[in-house]
Amino acid sequence: RKEVEQDPGPFNVPEGATVAFNCTYSNSASQSFFWYRQDCRKEPKLLMSVYSSGNEDGRFTAQLNRASQYISLLIRDSKLSDSATYLCVVNTGAGGFKTIFGAGTRLFVKA
Amino acid sequence: DAMVIQNPRYQVTQFGKPVTLSCSQTLNHNVMYWYQQKSSQAPKLLFHYYDKDFNNEADTPDNFQSRRPNTSFCFLDIRSPGLGDAAMYLCATSRAGTTSEQFFGPGTRLTVL
Repeated sequence: RKEVEQDPGPFNVPEGATVAFNCTYSNSASQSFFWYRQDCRKEPKLLMSVYSSGNEDGRFTAQLNRASQYISLLIRDSKLSDSATYLCVVNTGAGGFKTIFGAGTRLFVKA
Repeated sequence: DAMVIQNPRYQVTQFGKPVTLSCSQTLNHNVMYWYQQKSSQAPKLLFHYYDKDFNNEADTPDNFQSRRPNTSFCFLDIRSPGLGDAAMYLCATSRAGTTSEQFFGPGTRLTVL
């Protein structure tokens, strides 16, 4: 089993749609959680950190369920510019610097 | 602008010929990371430095080495590149603290002939 697993994708959605990405992690001692976005042939960039209380940034909402070892990202009112690969990231290990990326879920938003 | 810079952006080497990739940062971050990302795969952590402390991932091949001569610079040395080492190599930095965001450089795409 992979340490961080994501929906395989790709997701093809029309503009304005709501789309949800799921991620599970295997190490219950994992310490911090993030969603990164990666555009084609570009470097990953932080989209948002994920907290147990849930957090929202505009059209984006992230949730963490430590008991189920599950992380989610919800994108409302999808824009063409949201087309990218979304990477679930988990920090674990001593000091929390062992960073594990999920394989990513590709999103295509169509006009 | 504060940033993470990687040079070169594209590197071509021959099978078995040592190559060094460079990363520099103006963010003054304590932690620097090197990742390998192959096509359509997730970035895979190779190692990281917390200040001068080097931390190697257990499954990172011995063929990969790193140096951090000062806070700003970090190098990735591939001693004998094989065809399977062709990939994008990403450098990232962060402040100390596990909840800190990592800032990535644009990457160096390595081709092995």
